[in-house]
Amino acid sequence: DVKVTQSSRYLVKRTGEKVFLECVQDMDHENMFWYRQDPGLGLRLIYFSYDVKMKEKGDIPEGYSVSREKKERFSLILESASTNQTSMYLCASSLARSQYFGPGTRLTVT
Amino acid sequence: DQQVKQNSPSLSVQEGRISILNCDYTNSMFDYFLWYKKYPAEGPTFLISISSIKDKNEDGRFTVFLNKSAKHLSLHIVPSQPGDSAVYFCAASYSNSGGYQKVTFGTGTKLQVIP
Repeated sequence: DVKVTQSSRYLVKRTGEKVFLECVQDMDHENMFWYRQDPGLGLRLIYFSYDVKMKEKGDIPEGYSVSREKKERFSLILESASTNQTSMYLCASSLARSQYFGPGTRLTVT
Repeated sequence: DQQVKQNSPSLSVQEGRISILNCDYTNSMFDYFLWYKKYPAEGPTFLISISSIKDKNEDGRFTVFLNKSAKHLSLHIVPSQPGDSAVYFCAASYSNSGGYQKVTFGTGTKLQVIP
C-alpha cells in the first residue's frame, strides 16, 4: 500500500511566521505535489516536483516555496504566513496518472 | 479560468438508486480523466479513470462516461450506498511541453446517500 504522510494534521501559526509543511512518501514515486483545498475552489496546485531538486510552479505559487532534497520528501514553505493562507494543504505523489494523497494539514494563520 | 467544472456542489440520492455526478471541461488538450473520492479529514483517494480514446470505463458499481464532443464526463454509481457519501472530485490531465503531467481538479460535488 502506498503511504503518503504529512507532518501535522492541524497547525496554528501567527501572521508573519515561517511555516514548514513536510510530506513523505514510501513508494519511490518520482512525482510529488502540493495542493490547497478551499471551499468552492476545489484542489488547486501550488507546486510540483518530478525529480530530486527539481520543482515547477503550479497554478497558485505566490507566497510559497518548496524543497525536494530527497526523493521521498517534499516540503512546502510559507516564507511569511498570511491569513489568506489559512487552508487545507494536501500532498500527493504519483508514478503514473493517478495520485496518492496524504491526509492533509489544516493550517490556520491568525 | 476554471478549466474543469463541477456545476453541482451537492447531490442527494436514496440508497439503492443511481448517483450521477457530472463534470465539464474546456481544454481540448486533456487526454486523461480521473475521479477521486474524499471523506472528511482524509485525503482524496483515486476511484476510477478513463483515457480520451475510450467513452466508457467500468469498475464494479462505478462507471465513468466520456463525451469528447461535448467535453463532458460523468460518474455513475449503481446502486448507491451510504458509504458512498463523500465529496467527489473530477480531474483532467495532459502532458505539457516539458513532458510533465498537468492535472487540473474540479471544485467537487458532495454526495449524500440517504438510507
